[in-house]
Amino acid sequence: DADVTQTPRNRITKTGKRIMLECSQTKGHDRMYWYRQDPGLGLRLIYYSFDVKDINKGEISDGYSVSRQAQAKFSLSLESAIPNQTALYFCATSYGTSGTYNEQFFGPGTRLTVL
Amino acid sequence: AQTVTQSQPEMSVQEAETVTLSCTYDTSESDHYLFWYKQPPSRQMILVIRQEAYKQQNATENRFSVNFQKAAKSFSLKISDSQLGDAAMYFCAYRRKGNMLTFGGGTRLMVKP
Repeated sequence: DADVTQTPRNRITKTGKRIMLECSQTKGHDRMYWYRQDPGLGLRLIYYSFDVKDINKGEISDGYSVSRQAQAKFSLSLESAIPNQTALYFCATSYGTSGTYNEQFFGPGTRLTVL
Repeated sequence: AQTVTQSQPEMSVQEAETVTLSCTYDTSESDHYLFWYKQPPSRQMILVIRQEAYKQQNATENRFSVNFQKAAKSFSLKISDSQLGDAAMYFCAYRRKGNMLTFGGGTRLMVKP
């Protein structure tokens, strides 16, 4: 079974709809991240969470919100989807020991299309 | 702010040949990590190789190696004996404080049989 899972894997929606992307992990990591991938721009950080009560904005948080329901779950919401939010979304997880290398493990991605 | 630049949107290589993908970055942090990720058509992000900035020796993982030039802030990936399965998007990434990653725009590598 995959350690980091994302649901749904693909989603098509319409402008103005509320969308939630979900991420779950069984790795026991305390840190979780949401990225979006656009052609030519690589992956950019939307939000990150160091633990259940510690949530922070990333580079491109406008139009998004998140919820850390438990250590293992981190959801990304688009309150009112717009076409330029069409992208590939990745969840990632890692340990958070400061001063050491902590690899980020990525989920399989969610392809979101906003019409 | 840290930036990561991959100047080659696309590269191609003949099977069994060697190819080098370029990456430059900009940072004021002296201690950092650099990574190359591979993204095949399956979309999965796969860590290929990492380099700790404090290490003088260039990292090597089987057919993959890096040329890390700290003063020049350059971190290129060399793939030797290229295989068809190496065809993918490759992303260079820099690890900031707090373990967040900043990615370059990616290089699409095509491998010709």
